[in-house]
Amino acid sequence: NAGVTQTPKFRVLKTGQSMTLLCAQDMNHEYMYWYRQDPGMGLRLIHYSVGEGTTAKGEVPDGYNVSRLKKQNFLLGLESAAPSQTSVYFCASSYQGRNTEAFFGQGTRLTVV
Amino acid sequence: GNSVTQMEGPVTLSEEAFLTINCTYTATGYPSLFWYVQYPGEGLQLLLKATKADDKGSNKGFEATYRKETTSFHLEKGSVQVSDSAVYFCALSYTGGGNKLTFGTGTQLKVEL
Repeated sequence: NAGVTQTPKFRVLKTGQSMTLLCAQDMNHEYMYWYRQDPGMGLRLIHYSVGEGTTAKGEVPDGYNVSRLKKQNFLLGLESAAPSQTSVYFCASSYQGRNTEAFFGQGTRLTVV
Repeated sequence: GNSVTQMEGPVTLSEEAFLTINCTYTATGYPSLFWYVQYPGEGLQLLLKATKADDKGSNKGFEATYRKETTSFHLEKGSVQVSDSAVYFCALSYTGGGNKLTFGTGTQLKVEL
């Protein structure tokens, strides 16, 4: 019953440091997403993937990169962290069909100082 | 572009009170509409959905009707419980192109005894 698992759950970075957030899903979903959640702004899509080896930009992609080398994993990278990237990051996945439900991980709280 | 507007919170109610959280959307064509709920410290989970005009989604006593004429999808519950305290997000998506979700800003609900 793992569903969508995010690693790590908390992280503090210094400005300019890099890190990778890992998302793993065990539901054989085709689609995967990275969102960020900020107070008063809801969730905004950073990048998404519609299948292994594919990625696409979302609403707020600047400063982030992603990779989907395996169907079950979706990695979000920050090459040079900035305080504006302080946020809670959520990974989600869904099946390919119509109107399908998205399943979310528990989130990663990232603070950039 | 697509957008979702929710009533601002926080909303504080007494147990057994009636709940309405307003949601309106701007979109071209015929999106699917969703309500997601986020309990403290957790990721989002689907509460209910509706995929075409006049559809009513329902779950756990919550209901919402897809009103195309007013571009609305208001969430209602007849009698709230303390356990309903959470943040509620209205969202829309289109089939195809990755089923990406566009979220409202979220409405925090607090239910008191």
